[in-house]
Amino acid sequence: DVKVTQSSRYLVKRTGEKVFLECVQDMDHENMFWYRQDPGLGLRLIYFSYDVKMKEKGDIPEGYSVSREKKERFSLILESASTNQTSMYLCASSPGTGSGSGRRYNEQFFGPGTRLTVL
Amino acid sequence: GNSVTQMEGPVTLSEEAFLTINCTYTATGYPSLFWYVQYPGEGLQLLLKATKADDKGSNKGFEATYRKETTSFHLEKGSVQVSDSAVYFCALSRSTLGRLYFGRGTQLTVWP
Repeated sequence: DVKVTQSSRYLVKRTGEKVFLECVQDMDHENMFWYRQDPGLGLRLIYFSYDVKMKEKGDIPEGYSVSREKKERFSLILESASTNQTSMYLCASSPGTGSGSGRRYNEQFFGPGTRLTVL
Repeated sequence: GNSVTQMEGPVTLSEEAFLTINCTYTATGYPSLFWYVQYPGEGLQLLLKATKADDKGSNKGFEATYRKETTSFHLEKGSVQVSDSAVYFCALSRSTLGRLYFGRGTQLTVWP
């Protein structure tokens, strides 16, 4: 089974702090994603990456950056946390193009989420 | 652009009732369509998928049919259980990179 893990389930930080959220997947997936989930807004894509050291902005990248130094790890960075970044953060991964189960269908596999509170 | 619209919740049903959650989409070409489910305190799990027109995805008693003529992918279950209480997300993908576009989610609560 694909496993996507996130470094923390719950995190409390103060305004202005630099925050790192870590995500690791164990299935050699090319693509990785960071979303935030807020009530009534569903999931919104922050950033994604389709290869090591590659990144693409999603729909709401402002206030965030990402790092992908290794294929299995994708980090989300809040350079200076603000209260409006209080949210649930979900990481996901998916296979790249090519053969194999799941690749053709672009299925994403999600981690359990990190609930971040910024005070 | 690409977007998904799903019925707003919350939806509250009694056990063994019939469930429909409506989902319509806007996309160019031929997207793949998905339903994901999120149980309390967990991340999202793929529930079912369909990749071309008239395909029917099914899993755990849930079904959805890809209707290109109505750009819809409604989720149905004939008899819900308390354990089906969760948030359900409809999503589409147009890219081989795997980027998904999600609806806002529908909260389902099933009472015994």
